[in-house]
Amino acid sequence: QSVLTQPPSVSGAPGQRVTISCTGSSSNIGAGYDVHWYQQLPGTAPKLLIYGNSNRPSGVPDRFSGSKSGTSASLAITGLQAEDEADYYCQSYDSSLSGLYVFGTGTKVTVL
Amino acid sequence: QITLKESGPTLVKPTQTLTLTCTFSGFSLSTSGVGVGWIRQPPGKALEWLALIYWNDDKRYSPSLKSRLTITKDTSKNQVVLTMTNMDPVDTATYYCAHWTTVTRDWYFDLWGRGTLVTVSS
Repeated sequence: QSVLTQPPSVSGAPGQRVTISCTGSSSNIGAGYDVHWYQQLPGTAPKLLIYGNSNRPSGVPDRFSGSKSGTSASLAITGLQAEDEADYYCQSYDSSLSGLYVFGTGTKVTVL
Repeated sequence: QITLKESGPTLVKPTQTLTLTCTFSGFSLSTSGVGVGWIRQPPGKALEWLALIYWNDDKRYSPSLKSRLTITKDTSKNQVVLTMTNMDPVDTATYYCAHWTTVTRDWYFDLWGRGTLVTVSS
């Protein structure tokens, strides 16, 4: 089981705002390590969505935003669209024996 | 334009050794500040980081799989090879390679290959 915990699923109607949490501990997010987010559309490879807690790569819509506080991080999607239906994963560094570069448990976003 | 592509067997038998190759273009693994990593995803499950290799040949492995993994690079061929020994059906997964980079303090995977599905079965 991953050291980064995410809710298994979140859902929202088109146009709504949804948030995905990524809960860690003092050996990863709480230690100040950056959190990165990936989007995985059905049947495709993951794609970088947010890096360094809150930075969007070129081409990622500004509907996606990231934040970090304490031992947790969050990904927010505002103005939810049908094309946002996907799995989302957080990733960080962990200094404990659990793993070095760890991914979160993943969250399925469903657009109602 | 950076691209990565995984290749290797689609089916391996239990106890066998898996060898996967990541062939990339658009960057050089001899350039400072660059790396390539391997990640896997069992069907219907989450991503799991496996191994990393940096431009300076520094290597990192998942602690839970370290005894079974070896990552190497061939800079002249623009390839990174991952070997995993003693394969088991639980290792059935899609294996991805990805470009490892940083512009802040920490590193992340900014570009991924399409992945290759490896099934472990007798």
